Amino acid sequence: GAVVSQHPSRVICKSGTSVKIECRSLDFQATTMFWYRQFPKKSLMLMATSNEGSKATYEQGVEKDKFLINHASLTLSTLTVTSAHPEDSSFYICSASRQGSISYEQYFGPGTRLTVT
Amino acid sequence: GENVEQHPSTLSVQEGDSAVIKCTYSDSASNYFPWYKQELGKRPQLIIDIRSNVGEKKDQRIAVTLNKTAKHFSLHITETQPEDSAVYFCAASTGGNKLVFGAGTILRVKS
Repeated sequence: GAVVSQHPSRVICKSGTSVKIECRSLDFQATTMFWYRQFPKKSLMLMATSNEGSKATYEQGVEKDKFLINHASLTLSTLTVTSAHPEDSSFYICSASRQGSISYEQYFGPGTRLTVT
Repeated sequence: GENVEQHPSTLSVQEGDSAVIKCTYSDSASNYFPWYKQELGKRPQLIIDIRSNVGEKKDQRIAVTLNKTAKHFSLHITETQPEDSAVYFCAASTGGNKLVFGAGTILRVKS
């Protein structure tokens, strides 16, 4: 159990366009979903924490109007990169915590490789 | 806020030898410490975790130790195999169910 999917796995878009990335928990209900960004050979940088039915909490330095997060249900969260620019190119990974879990266990999606041309 | 430091950044071992990766954390309130393995272009996979009420946990060739007083925890891999080659991340829990990750260790197992 605890499978998280992400779609798309790869996306190439032109500068100025917007891109939506979906994160789904397939076999459990996720109270909380997290969005990370990972640069090549670097660690996971938390961008925001998303709770179902409420506004996302963004980490310091992350523009909420640039990275729109919606957590419409207990199994789906979306990240929209608005007006993308080449510097937004990165590997974006989501993770999910189980509803009712007393621990901090996070299960990761496979990631989305975004390339902005 | 929580700060996690991880060492070494790269580690090369001969197949069959042991590998040890160490992490330190700053927030004494942290109580959950997972270790993730990430292969190139893949998702991080949870390989073992430990909570603050225990000092050691083992799962086959993998073990984790925790010293709450010193605020450090370590990953031990015994009898390493080529398929253990990957990037390993430690993490520590912080407020809001969040995890703060270390910078990662590239482990290379030479056959």
